[in-house]
Amino acid sequence: DAGVIQSPRHEVTEMGQEVTLRCKPISGHDYLFWYRQTMMRGLELLIYFNNNVPIDDSGMPEDRFSAKMPNASFSTLKIQPSEPRDSAVYFCASTQGNAKNIQYFGAGTRLSVL
Amino acid sequence: DQQVKQNSPSLSVQEGRISILNCDYTNSMFDYFLWYKKYPAEGPTFLISISSIKDKNEDGRFTVFLNKSAKHLSLHIVPSQPGDSAVYFCAASDTNAGKSTFGDGTTLTVKP
Repeated sequence: DAGVIQSPRHEVTEMGQEVTLRCKPISGHDYLFWYRQTMMRGLELLIYFNNNVPIDDSGMPEDRFSAKMPNASFSTLKIQPSEPRDSAVYFCASTQGNAKNIQYFGAGTRLSVL
Repeated sequence: DQQVKQNSPSLSVQEGRISILNCDYTNSMFDYFLWYKKYPAEGPTFLISISSIKDKNEDGRFTVFLNKSAKHLSLHIVPSQPGDSAVYFCAASDTNAGKSTFGDGTTLTVKP
């Protein structure tokens, strides 16, 4: 298996623009997580899905952030409108069977909002 | 309220010596703990875990110790190697909440 695949690897955009980050989890995994890593807040969970259904979105910072999982092999994290403080590395991870199990992370998307 | 804390942002050790990374937690409901390692430009990868019913788990050069009464766990790396230089994240989860809560990470540098 290719592992968790995230795209793009790098994204540079201007304040106010819409940004869409993409994730393909490992085939057969039924949990998908979105994280954000910053110097100030470390690695924080934004939202996670089980069987394509959002279970906990309490970490989503504000309404500008939204996430979807239309099927078992694809998820998106959208920021609209983007702000400079959204600049961070965004990780997607997946696991199977239980949300507390070992998670497999993608390589991340480094987002820079100018 | 940060439920998982790694109070040392960085640690530097000499090759061949022991590296000890620490992690404290506040939620007594946590029953499963994991350590992840992260290299630059890569995502975190699983290293070792421990259940709350144990106080030690060993895998090669890596050993995790859990002290439930102190709500403290530590990762020991013996002997340390330059390739161990990375950011180490401690994570904790409980069966009810399901999700894992991560610490801020500790950057380990192993000097040749």
